[in-house]
Amino acid sequence: QSALTQPASVSGSPGQSITISCTGTSSDVGGYNYVSWYQQHPGKAPKLMIYDVSNRPSGVSNRFSGSKSGNTASLTISGLQAEDEADYYCSSYTSSSNVVFGGGTKLTVL
Amino acid sequence: EVQLVESGGGLVQPGRSLRLSCAASGFTFDDYAMHWVRQAPGKGLEWVSGISWNSGSIGYADSVKGRFTISRDNAKNSLYLQMNSLRAEDTALYYCAKSENYDILTGQGTYFDYWGQGTLVTVSS
Repeated sequence: QSALTQPASVSGSPGQSITISCTGTSSDVGGYNYVSWYQQHPGKAPKLMIYDVSNRPSGVSNRFSGSKSGNTASLTISGLQAEDEADYYCSSYTSSSNVVFGGGTKLTVL
Repeated sequence: EVQLVESGGGLVQPGRSLRLSCAASGFTFDDYAMHWVRQAPGKGLEWVSGISWNSGSIGYADSVKGRFTISRDNAKNSLYLQMNSLRAEDTALYYCAKSENYDILTGQGTYFDYWGQGTLVTVSS
């Protein structure tokens, strides 16, 4: 199972919006609405930000949103804040009943 | 409060074995599937293995299949990972993670809503 494809890095200024893409295949991202997104600050455990493509867990800011089109899922962060600077990972359920992660994207808030 | 506490990591020589444990509390352990996810130093997340609530369904990443064995003891609220024939590329921080579903064969709920802090496994001679 190959990792999902994410850009290595994205950046934006405070207040702006950014989007991180996550590309898979019809056997994972494209085949199921079971894409999730995680935020990881240095030295910390990952934190769930989005599940089932576009749902936010309780306590996660509504500045975070998710979507999917075909084999590509996206995470959008609006109104960027300094605290959003972190690594972001997408994940998907697969046709093998396994889980695959993306390679991760480093978000820099300028 | 949900807590997942991993233990058992350490320095081990290539080819040797190690057993990781994860102690769970704050939720009904036997209602949920559980997983191991690892992160090599400076690298991304990699799903390692998952186990359904009753151990009836188990899955492994290709990279560990045949070498690692996941198990759970619901009476002890504990998850385990037996790692055999360890390789240098198994060096990583190993996280225990709870998923929202009860069966790993059920795609719905396959996301990790709680994570432990991880236990570091270093494979080196």
